[in-house]
Amino acid sequence: GDSVTQMEGPVTLSEEAFLTINCTYTATGYPSLFWYVQYPGEGLQLLLKATKADDKGSNKGFEATYRKETTSFHLEKGSVQVSDSAVYFCALSDSHRVGNQFYFGTGTSLTVIP
Amino acid sequence: SQTIHQWPATLVQPVGSPLSLECTVEGTSNPNLYWYRQAAGRGLQLLFYSVGIGQISSEVPQNLSASRPQDRQFILSSKKLLLSDSGFYLCAWSVLGGANIQYFGAGTRLSVL
Repeated sequence: GDSVTQMEGPVTLSEEAFLTINCTYTATGYPSLFWYVQYPGEGLQLLLKATKADDKGSNKGFEATYRKETTSFHLEKGSVQVSDSAVYFCALSDSHRVGNQFYFGTGTSLTVIP
Repeated sequence: SQTIHQWPATLVQPVGSPLSLECTVEGTSNPNLYWYRQAAGRGLQLLFYSVGIGQISSEVPQNLSASRPQDRQFILSSKKLLLSDSGFYLCAWSVLGGANIQYFGAGTRLSVL
């Protein structure tokens, strides 16, 4: 079945460091891929998405490219800020499936220190 | 614009007591609705989803049940809570055939003591 494997955390970085959070997926169809972010005590917010191979999603300085050949959707940011401290979830969804179910990774906790 | 409301925000319940968490969506019709649980330090576990009124699909057999009495209302219930039911419960919605995005509520922190 469909699944997402996400880099284990926690990750601690200094401000302005480069961030990479790895995500790989397994899917039988042609899924859309997502990164969600969860700030402490809150629900999940969509950070970015990509709907087909070679698409690049970007938002707030974060980027991820849908790589079908490596079944990956790694999240990157060139210079992290303290305000980026949160838990990041990779997810996939196949909109052609009944219920439009999402499959989430286990989440990666990021802490950015000044 | 669409909004999702989830309440209560925090709940402390004794073992063996009943549970009712409510989620409502505004500004859209016939949404797909979802209940997730997030245990401490772990990822999201899909509990139930619904594609229409009275239609509930269960992903994981457990002590919980869900109902959808109205188009934009989704309720998570239990007759008798267990310690293992503690966690962060998230409601979400999406529109089939739309932008294929799930939108989440703010969550309910449930502590069973």
